[in-house]
Amino acid sequence: GDSVTQMEGPVTLSEEAFLTINCTYTATGYPSLFWYVQYPGEGLQLLLKATKADDKGSNKGFEATYRKETTSFHLEKGSVQVSDSAVYFCALSEGGFQKLVFGTGTRLLVSP
Amino acid sequence: EAGVAQSPRYKIIEKRQSVAFWCNPISGHATLYWYQQILGQGPKLLIQFQNNGVVDDSQLPKDRFSAERLKGVDSTLKIQPAKLEDSAVYLCASSLDESTEAFFGQGTRLTVV
Repeated sequence: GDSVTQMEGPVTLSEEAFLTINCTYTATGYPSLFWYVQYPGEGLQLLLKATKADDKGSNKGFEATYRKETTSFHLEKGSVQVSDSAVYFCALSEGGFQKLVFGTGTRLLVSP
Repeated sequence: EAGVAQSPRYKIIEKRQSVAFWCNPISGHATLYWYQQILGQGPKLLIQFQNNGVVDDSQLPKDRFSAERLKGVDSTLKIQPAKLEDSAVYLCASSLDESTEAFFGQGTRLTVV
């Protein structure tokens, strides 16, 4: 079945450092790909998405490009802030937002 | 705009007891999802409703879990009897329809002792 693999955390960075969180996927079809973020004490929020190969999703300075050839959707940000500290989940769906399949999440800790 | 409301936020029960969780989706949202998030894992879909009908419950352990969405609005998820491995955060999400963004509630953290 479909699955998502994320790099294990925590990822610990200093403010203004470059961030990469790796995500690879396995799917039978052509899924949509998502990054969700969970800030402390809050619910999951959609951060960005891409629906087809070579699409780039972006939001709040974060970017991820749908790479079909490497089945990857790595999350990047050029300069992280303390407020970016959260758990990030990579996810896929074969149909819209139905039956999202999530990775295990990567905790990001940003220190001043 | 009010978000997805869930209650209770926390629940501790003994194994073999029963428990129920409640979800009030965003007004007007036809699609409602329940996910289970075990510690250290990503959320896993348990059941999806479209209005008051079940679209997908293939991963719901039907021998002990049940869910309903009366009148196509609020939903309840029940576990009876609970097992230790049911300890998890239960997330409710809703969307206008199955092709639009799903918004998540804060979840109910269940501990079975």
